Amino acid sequence: GAVVSQHPSWVICKSGTSVKIECRSLDFQATTMFWYRQFPKQSLMLMATSNEGSKATYEQGVEKDKFLINHASLTLSTLTVTSAHPEDSSFYICSASGTYNEQFFGPGTRLTVL
Amino acid sequence: GDSVTQMEGPVTLSEEAFLTINCTYTATGYPSLFWYVQYPGEGLQLLLKATKADDKGSNKGFEATYRKETTSFHLEKGSVQVSDSAVYFCALIEGGAQKLVFGQGTRLTINP
Repeated sequence: GAVVSQHPSWVICKSGTSVKIECRSLDFQATTMFWYRQFPKQSLMLMATSNEGSKATYEQGVEKDKFLINHASLTLSTLTVTSAHPEDSSFYICSASGTYNEQFFGPGTRLTVL
Repeated sequence: GDSVTQMEGPVTLSEEAFLTINCTYTATGYPSLFWYVQYPGEGLQLLLKATKADDKGSNKGFEATYRKETTSFHLEKGSVQVSDSAVYFCALIEGGAQKLVFGQGTRLTINP
């Protein structure tokens, strides 16, 4: 099956700093990538959908200026959490889809903001 | 809008027990249906899927049948193992759409 990687797998940062998370499709071209947030023992909440070369579409209630998404190539999307605060601590998961519309998920990135 | 409802967890079973996790959905069209599994500290893995009514998805001993008349996609396994302990998510995607709609997840624990 298709492989999606995320980097880093976990990150700890100080409040007020920015953190960048990478999502890569390793063996296919991802025309669309999705970013999810998951709180402990809860379901996935879609944050935004990004298509290669265009601006991301954010879900209602997600701050665009807080969570910057870039999808500059068919194999890479990045999520930058700007001026992170403890309430941004969460598990962030990306997924990618290509020709057949099936989504393949990355392993997730655990962000802890101190 | 589209929605997915799963049976509330957590579910705790003994090894070799029969498993059923209920999932029902609401959709305006003819969605594809999925079960994903999430092991501790990991992302989601596709467990099985069905794309049209009466299709049966199966993988690793798990099965689910797309029932349009009852708008259900219940997950079953005849004999669970400790290694099946995980969180299971039912999800749908409308034809032509990109967005997956997830249920709330069901945490399954299998005791030896």
